[in-house]
Amino acid sequence: RKEVEQDPGPFNVPEGATVAFNCTYSNSASQSFFWYRQDCRKEPKLLMSVYSSGNEDGRFTAQLNRASQYISLLIRDSKLSDSATYLCVVNLTGNQFYFGTGTSLTVIP
Amino acid sequence: DVKVTQSSRYLVKRTGEKVFLECVQDMDHENMFWYRQDPGLGLRLIYFSYDVKMKEKGDIPEGYSVSREKKERFSLILESASTNQTSMYLCASSFYGGQPQHFGDGTRLSIL
Repeated sequence: RKEVEQDPGPFNVPEGATVAFNCTYSNSASQSFFWYRQDCRKEPKLLMSVYSSGNEDGRFTAQLNRASQYISLLIRDSKLSDSATYLCVVNLTGNQFYFGTGTSLTVIP
Repeated sequence: DVKVTQSSRYLVKRTGEKVFLECVQDMDHENMFWYRQDPGLGLRLIYFSYDVKMKEKGDIPEGYSVSREKKERFSLILESASTNQTSMYLCASSFYGGQPQHFGDGTRLSIL
């Protein structure tokens, strides 16, 4: 069983739409959680950390559900520039990080 | 802003060559990592280092070694390059365990 699983998509949504991605993790002892964005042929860039109480950064909202062992990312009012692959990352302990394979998003004009 | 710099964006080498990939970070981070990323497989950890001269194997260390002689620099070495090591190699650093990682631009390595 994979440590982290994501729906690979692709998600194709019109501009202005709201889109949500989920990511499940297998180890209940996981400690910290992150969402990264990766553009084609570029490096992953930290989008936001995910806190237990949920957190928001502009149009982006991240949530953690420890009981069901998943994290989510909600993007409101999608922009063309949001088109990318979104990676969820789970930190088990110390330097043990597990990456999802990514969810592809294309925002269509 | 954290800056992680990898020595080459693109590299082409021949089978059997010894290949060096260099990574430098400017934020005095304790931890540094080397990953490879392949389509459908995501990022896989090759090695990481939590201090100068300290290293630990990741999930796929075979065929690779690393060196960390200075805190800011972490090198990945392909001892004898093979075609199955053609991949995107990503270096990352973090301040300490559990903190988010910051990535370099990546090196696209082709082994012919």
